[in-house]
Amino acid sequence: SQQGEEDPQALSIQEGENATMNCSYKTSINNLQWYRQNSGRGLVHLILIRSNEREKHSGRLRVTLDTSKKSSSLLITASRAADTASYFCATPAGGSARQLTFGSGTQLTVLP
Amino acid sequence: KAGVTQTPRYLIKTRGQQVTLSCSPISGHRSVSWYQQTPGQGLQFLFEYFSETQRNKGNFPGRFSGRQFSNSRSEMNVSTLELGDSALYLCASSLDRGGSGNTIYFGEGSWLTVV
Repeated sequence: SQQGEEDPQALSIQEGENATMNCSYKTSINNLQWYRQNSGRGLVHLILIRSNEREKHSGRLRVTLDTSKKSSSLLITASRAADTASYFCATPAGGSARQLTFGSGTQLTVLP
Repeated sequence: KAGVTQTPRYLIKTRGQQVTLSCSPISGHRSVSWYQQTPGQGLQFLFEYFSETQRNKGNFPGRFSGRQFSNSRSEMNVSTLELGDSALYLCASSLDRGGSGNTIYFGEGSWLTVV
């Protein structure tokens, strides 16, 4: 079963705009990871945020985590055409940090 | 430092055949896991190995199996292939240090088409 669910399923924006994707999950977690997947390629790790962290930054990426609402968001600022990809959140399944469950992902399209 | 390496990248098999996929984890990583990605089911966990032992297994039939070698390299095998096995198979590795989470890194995947 899927633990995380991303919202929206698809997002289309212009280059330079910000993109925000949300992820909700069902059970308590000790961390949450965000990944990017370009069409036909593998998953690229973006950020891991732990349950005792509320916000984390990496370059143009900002991730927030609200454990009380069981939700996380990924913000990409000043989007570029190269950011076009699917974005997934992943959470540990059944207490095992080594087994991830993924949502269905958000397909982001950045128009030049 | 090399990333997670998977071979082959693409392959086509016929129904009823079997296939073996290979994965070399990031140097020093001892935990290796496998995932299947399909348009219909999304990303699903297959199994995870650590020090040559399977620690976790997903909800897949026994036709799906794997193993890990002493150098942490891993292989997965699918026997009696079915059309529905067509998917992107992703391998992932992590340090597995314990604590509140380890970054899990993925390879580029192996595209399997069953005809």
